[in-house]
Amino acid sequence: DAGITQSPRHKVTETGTPVTLRCHQTENHRYMYWYRQDPGHGLRLIHYSYGVKDTDKGEVSDGYSVSRSKTEDFLLTLESATSSQTSVYFCAIKKGTGGTGNTIYFGEGSWLTVV
Amino acid sequence: DAKTTQPNSMESNEEEPVHLPCNHSTISGTDYIHWYRQLPSQGPEYVIHGLTSNVNNRMASLAIAEDRKSSTLILHRATLRDAAVYYCILRFGGSNYKLTFGKGTLLTVNP
Repeated sequence: DAGITQSPRHKVTETGTPVTLRCHQTENHRYMYWYRQDPGHGLRLIHYSYGVKDTDKGEVSDGYSVSRSKTEDFLLTLESATSSQTSVYFCAIKKGTGGTGNTIYFGEGSWLTVV
Repeated sequence: DAKTTQPNSMESNEEEPVHLPCNHSTISGTDYIHWYRQLPSQGPEYVIHGLTSNVNNRMASLAIAEDRKSSTLILHRATLRDAAVYYCILRFGGSNYKLTFGKGTLLTVNP
């Protein structure tokens, strides 16, 4: 059990509406990540966070914003959803105490369809 | 980012060993080699990682070439549950653990 809960797990929304995906962890890990996965592509990093209110962009950040107001929650917001943002979204956390002992654990995914 | 090259697909028989290759000829000295797998409709799952030496854990073994330009993930006895996409990923040591996924190898396990 990675200790990650993503919500909602499935959502259908209309083009132009705002959408927020939530990633919740129970173990106070510092690093959290949002990835998206599309057919024909591997997972691609959207944004990540290295602490409360500390976030940075990933490879495909356009059209997305994030917030981390407390350690346990990392929110991904699509301000105005587009059909190109139809995807599976995975949250991940980094566990470990440093050095070679760190590993990344992924949540179960949030399936988002923008119609 | 240094890139990896993996076969698109491989097949194995149940209870036989599986050797999944990965080429990373442009690897740098601070790149860690990570392997993840992804079962259908699930998030990626950590398998193993290493830097220079071979590594073993309860899931698999990682064999790293002496020049580090290639590595092999070894599943000692494949089960049907091992059917998945396997990703070989290079992670720069100072990258805040950002992972760059390729398309991976689709492993099919035949009963």
